Amino acid sequence: EDQVTQSPEALRLQEGESSSLNCSYTVSGLRGLFWYRQDPGKGPEFLFTLYSAGEEKEKERLKATLTKKESFLHITAPKPEDSATYLCAGGGAQKLVFGQGTRLTINP
Amino acid sequence: GAGVSQSPSNKVTEKGKDVELRCDPISGHTALYWYRQRLGQGLEFLIYFQGNSAPDKSGLPSDRFSAERTGESVSTLTIQRTQQEDSAVYLCASSFFGLASEQYFGPGTRLTVT
Repeated sequence: EDQVTQSPEALRLQEGESSSLNCSYTVSGLRGLFWYRQDPGKGPEFLFTLYSAGEEKEKERLKATLTKKESFLHITAPKPEDSATYLCAGGGAQKLVFGQGTRLTINP
Repeated sequence: GAGVSQSPSNKVTEKGKDVELRCDPISGHTALYWYRQRLGQGLEFLIYFQGNSAPDKSGLPSDRFSAERTGESVSTLTIQRTQQEDSAVYLCASSFFGLASEQYFGPGTRLTVT
């Protein structure tokens, strides 16, 4: 069965304190690994797509990487506005499987 | 440009009533998706359309749920004989291509079944 697992469930950091979020996946026929950001009361917002192991993508303070079994979202020198839930999803042949998300809080 | 829109934004209904949720995707997007998100939970995939066809309907929770898409545009998710466990936010998304391309989400419809 296709599965995506994210860790930790919640993470609190001080402003400027870098860290990484983990996404482990088993998705047959993976067509893409996606990262989204979700703010309270809103729909998810697309961040990155990764297609093959070794691929990396960056956007401002975020960098996403992919191996054959995991993806990491690295956040460098975060700011309070980076506080959100970060969702990872694996695109298979017939559906997109989401993880439960990591709720990230950046304290000023 | 216009994003994905959903209506209504909030719906309160009595147990046993039918509800229809509407999604207007981004113009030109061929694929459309429905998800359910219960409070504090992740996204549960319900169904996706490529054009007007749904290749796999197995994600629909029960036969009380149905969805259709017409004109490769608007989609309707219908829940018949609503139950309290149907209370959730229903999110719609669209993408230019299929499952390998990024999805753009609407704001969701918050359904409360009393």
